[in-house]
Amino acid sequence: KQEVTQIPAALSVPEGENLVLNCSFTDSAIYNLQWFRQDPGKGLTSLLLIQSSQREQTSGRLNASLDKSSGRSTLYIAASQPGDSATYLCAVPRNFNKFYFGSGTKLNVKP
Amino acid sequence: GAVVSQHPSWVICKSGTSVKIECRSLDFQATTMFWYRQFPKQSLMLMATSNEGSKATYEQGVEKDKFLINHASLTLSTLTVTSAHPEDSSFYICSARLGRADTGELFFGEGSRLTVL
Repeated sequence: KQEVTQIPAALSVPEGENLVLNCSFTDSAIYNLQWFRQDPGKGLTSLLLIQSSQREQTSGRLNASLDKSSGRSTLYIAASQPGDSATYLCAVPRNFNKFYFGSGTKLNVKP
Repeated sequence: GAVVSQHPSWVICKSGTSVKIECRSLDFQATTMFWYRQFPKQSLMLMATSNEGSKATYEQGVEKDKFLINHASLTLSTLTVTSAHPEDSSFYICSARLGRADTGELFFGEGSRLTVL
């Protein structure tokens, strides 16, 4: 059974800091890994999708890496802004139609 | 990215009534959509997988007669909460997959908050 863990559960940083969110998974036989953000009372917004054959993906100030062998993915946020405050979730497929979600990291970027 | 629209975003109803929530993929076709339920400060709980043109696949413990799912077209799935009770109050979120089953990307709707009085 796949277990997805996200550390830390919460993070508070001053504006401008670079930060790293962690996602670990127990079964390395994954198709891909996806990072999302969720704002309070909203759905999930897809940030980055890394296929199993890829090592990293970048979008703007976000960079996600994937190390299947060690069961880890990191989401790097450069020059954090208050607008980055949200809960960040990672997810891996269990099979074609089911996904395991981490419990999320709640990020607060202070002005 | 692709857009998934969910409607209504919030609904209040009386106990015993039925409520329908729509999930639409606006700019892509989705043979498979997913319905989740999220409790406060918790992660997503998969309720069912909606398959276009066939019956939905429900997760263990989810009552199929209580939560009716219809996926009549490649861009629309609906979730109907029948005879709603206060314990059905929750945040419901749908998602649709763009691309292949193994490499596709998930896109989520904005969620629907149901309050049953």
